[in-house]
Amino acid sequence: AQTVTQSQPEMSVQEAETVTLSCTYDTSESDYYLFWYKQPPSRQMILVIRQEAYKQQNATENRFSVNFQKAAKSFSLKISDSQLGDAAMYFCAYRSARGGADGLTFGKGTHLIIQP
Amino acid sequence: AAGVIQSPRHLIKEKRETATLKCYPIPRHDTVYWYQQGPGQDPQFLISFYEKMQSDKGSIPDRFSAQQFSDYHSELNMSSLELGDSALYFCASSPSVGTNEKLFFGSGTQLSVL
Repeated sequence: AQTVTQSQPEMSVQEAETVTLSCTYDTSESDYYLFWYKQPPSRQMILVIRQEAYKQQNATENRFSVNFQKAAKSFSLKISDSQLGDAAMYFCAYRSARGGADGLTFGKGTHLIIQP
Repeated sequence: AAGVIQSPRHLIKEKRETATLKCYPIPRHDTVYWYQQGPGQDPQFLISFYEKMQSDKGSIPDRFSAQQFSDYHSELNMSSLELGDSALYFCASSPSVGTNEKLFFGSGTQLSVL
């Protein structure tokens, strides 16, 4: 079974600065997907960014980028120019690429606080 | 763009009562997933359906059942409710082709068991 570990229960960053959220995972599979989801106080789950394991290039979406290290099974999220609206719980998630309707396996989450 | 619709948004029940949660996936999405998120917890996978057949099963209690109908909407039926069932229940959907690795989440149903 796959596991996802987020070792930072809470992170705090000044507005406009950069913050990195950590995520490691354990799997015996070679093909899979990794995601970062954002859950603001509204509790809506919002997809931030996704990475295919077979791609070496790190995914980027505007101010959000990842550092994907497949050998180390590490998948960190970097948020540049932090904004107040970035304050939320961030969940790292894993999904097998083997097909079917396998669900996502989530980490425990990191609560990101943005200091004005 | 259409999103995943869940109803009701909020539900209050007494212990030992039953509850039914509904999920309407994005059009042309044939796979539906149910997740349970307790207070301060990460979402836990309950069950999924593909083309109206149960596809994968997670930590779903025997008191819960679910199904997917011909129009692809899904219902989660919960019986003999316990205080510990109080949680946010998410439904997500994905297509079986194209960007099928992405799950699109609804806004959730907040269930409170008193």
